[in-house]
Amino acid sequence: AAGVIQSPRHLIKEKRETATLKCYPIPRHDTVYWYQQGPGQDPQFLISFYEKMQSDKGSIPDRFSAQQFSDYHSELNMSSLELGDSALYFCASSGIKNIQYFGAGTRLSVL
Amino acid sequence: QQQVKQSPQSLIVQKGGISIINCAYENTAFDYFPWYQQFPGKGPALLIAIRPDVSEKKEGRFTISFNKSAKQFSLHIMDSQPGDSATYFCAATDGETSGSRLTFGEGTQLTVNP
Repeated sequence: AAGVIQSPRHLIKEKRETATLKCYPIPRHDTVYWYQQGPGQDPQFLISFYEKMQSDKGSIPDRFSAQQFSDYHSELNMSSLELGDSALYFCASSGIKNIQYFGAGTRLSVL
Repeated sequence: QQQVKQSPQSLIVQKGGISIINCAYENTAFDYFPWYQQFPGKGPALLIAIRPDVSEKKEGRFTISFNKSAKQFSLHIMDSQPGDSATYFCAATDGETSGSRLTFGEGTQLTVNP
C-alpha cells in the first residue's frame, strides 16, 4: 500500500538559509499534518491542512510557512534557519476520520 | 504542560513477558486514542487505536484498555519479543475533526531482552 512520501530524507543547511520540505499524502487523503521531533522527544504539532485550507496551528515559528496544493501535496518552508531548527520533520496524512499515518521524515541539520 | 502523560519513561522486559505502558489525558474533547511505535530514525507507525465507546481493543499481541471515567488508557504487549524494542507513544485527538492535531505522550523506550 502507498504510504506518505517525504522529500528530501536528509537536508543540511547553514544558519540563516532557507529550506523547503515536501510531503505527498497517501492517495485519496485530503488532510496533511506537519510535526517536529527533537532528539528523545515526542513529536510536536506544527500545522495542518484540510482540503487545502489551514485547519489547525500549533507552535510553528513565524519563520515557517506551509501550504497544501491542489494535488493535496504540502510544502513546509523554513526561512532564516537557526541551530535549534535541527530536528526530524514528519508529515502525516489522513482521510476519513482523523487517523494519521506518518511518513519516514526529513532529517534537517542546521550548521 | 503535557496534556497527555505517559509512564514509564523506559521499560525493560524479558522475552515472552508482558509490557505495560500507561497514559492519562486531561482534555475531555479527546475521543480518539492511537498508539504509535517508532524505531530510531523512522517515522511513527500506527499500532492500534481505540475510541471511548469501548473499554478494550485487541489486535494480535497488542491490547488497549480504556477507562473513560479515570481518563486513562494503557497498552499491553503480550509475549514481548526483541523485535518489539522501540519507543512507544500514546496520543490523543479529536477524532471527528479533520486536521485536528495529535497530542503525544512523552514516549516509553521499551527494551525486550532475549
